[in-house]
Amino acid sequence: AQSVTQLGSHVSVSEGALVLLRCNYSSSVPPYLFWYVQYPNQGLQLLLKYTTGATLVKGINGFEAEFKKSETSFHLTKPSAHMSDAAEYFCAVSEGTSGTYKYIFGTGTRLKVLA
Amino acid sequence: DTAVSQTPKYLVTQMGNDKSIKCEQNLGHDTMYWYKQDSKKFLKIMFSYNNKELIINETVPNRFSPKSPDKAHLNLHINSLELGDSAVYFCASTTSGVPYEQYFGPGTRLTVT
Repeated sequence: AQSVTQLGSHVSVSEGALVLLRCNYSSSVPPYLFWYVQYPNQGLQLLLKYTTGATLVKGINGFEAEFKKSETSFHLTKPSAHMSDAAEYFCAVSEGTSGTYKYIFGTGTRLKVLA
Repeated sequence: DTAVSQTPKYLVTQMGNDKSIKCEQNLGHDTMYWYKQDSKKFLKIMFSYNNKELIINETVPNRFSPKSPDKAHLNLHINSLELGDSAVYFCASTTSGVPYEQYFGPGTRLTVT
């Protein structure tokens, strides 16, 4: 079974600093990978996804992630943090076949942005 | 227009009661899910339906019974509520084929007292 590990349940950065949220996965087949963001009292919203093709994936709000097969990683970055980026971030991997896909979520990383 | 909606948003009830949560999506998706998010934000899949057929049924107590009357709706009925059922329940939908992203509802915060 596939799994996702997010290193660091809490990450703090200063406004304007680089954001780096780590995600490692285990998968026996080429994975489909996702990053979601959850703002307080809201549902999850897709930031970006990797399916096939280009390994550097750009998402919304200036975020991007790079799929590194050799490192089984899919870390999320943003060059300059903004106060509005403070939220919970989830990495996810999918497994299954058409119509039966199951999404496995990491335990989440809470990002705090300091003024 | 809300893509995935859930009702109610908040639900406070006593132990032993039976309650239902409803979910509707207007995205034309054919696959819907129920997730439970605990107080530590851990997100755990409970059920998945594809074209009204139950596809995924994780280790969930029999007190939880999902129903999908059509592709756009997925409801969750919970019998004999327990304190441990307190959580935020999210509905999500996607389309089958290549695993596309899921669209999540706003969540239903269930508090059992």
